[in-house]
Amino acid sequence: GIQVEQSPPDLILQEGANSTLRCNFSDSVNNLQWFHQNPWGQLINLFYIPSGTKQNGRLSATTVATERYSLLYISSSQTTDSGVYFCATGLTGGGNKLTFGTGTQLKVEL
Amino acid sequence: DGGITQSPKYLFRKEGQNVTLSCEQNLNHDAMYWYRQDPGQGLRLIYYSQIVNDFQKGDIAEGYSVSREKKESFPLTVTSAQKNPTAFYLCASSHRGETQYFGPGTRLLVL
Repeated sequence: GIQVEQSPPDLILQEGANSTLRCNFSDSVNNLQWFHQNPWGQLINLFYIPSGTKQNGRLSATTVATERYSLLYISSSQTTDSGVYFCATGLTGGGNKLTFGTGTQLKVEL
Repeated sequence: DGGITQSPKYLFRKEGQNVTLSCEQNLNHDAMYWYRQDPGQGLRLIYYSQIVNDFQKGDIAEGYSVSREKKESFPLTVTSAQKNPTAFYLCASSHRGETQYFGPGTRLLVL
């Protein structure tokens, strides 16, 4: 099956710093999503971005499907950004199935 | 409010017991999913359903069963055949294969 790798596995930032999270995947995909899991376990969808670039406030994401990677940018980080960020992808022709990466654990400190 | 609800929030299972986790959505989504998350890990797909009365196995379906009798509901049963059921279980739904929306999860513990 498809392999999804995220980097870095852990990241500590000072409040106000910027960061880039990376997601590499092993096969052609037509579905790529970024999620944030808060400390209570709730997953929130950040972006549905199988290709191109999207922005939502301080967050933006870019997917280059032909090169099999996606990037999530966090600008002016806040303590509420802490948690785990997951990338998940679906194979072209694979129905609605998503394969999740192991996540990037982000901690934003004052 | 529209959304996905899961119950209970915590569930305790005794040896040899089957337990059922509830998942309900009022988003009018056709597709629903069940995932398992172990500590420090990503999510793994257990079962998914793209339409009422139809469902498919995911990557780790052994020891689990589901039904999809109504569009709004997708209950998951953890059977006694699942030898390591302690985990965080998350239900999601989507319109076709697009953005997935998650419920708050159920934590299952074995007594």
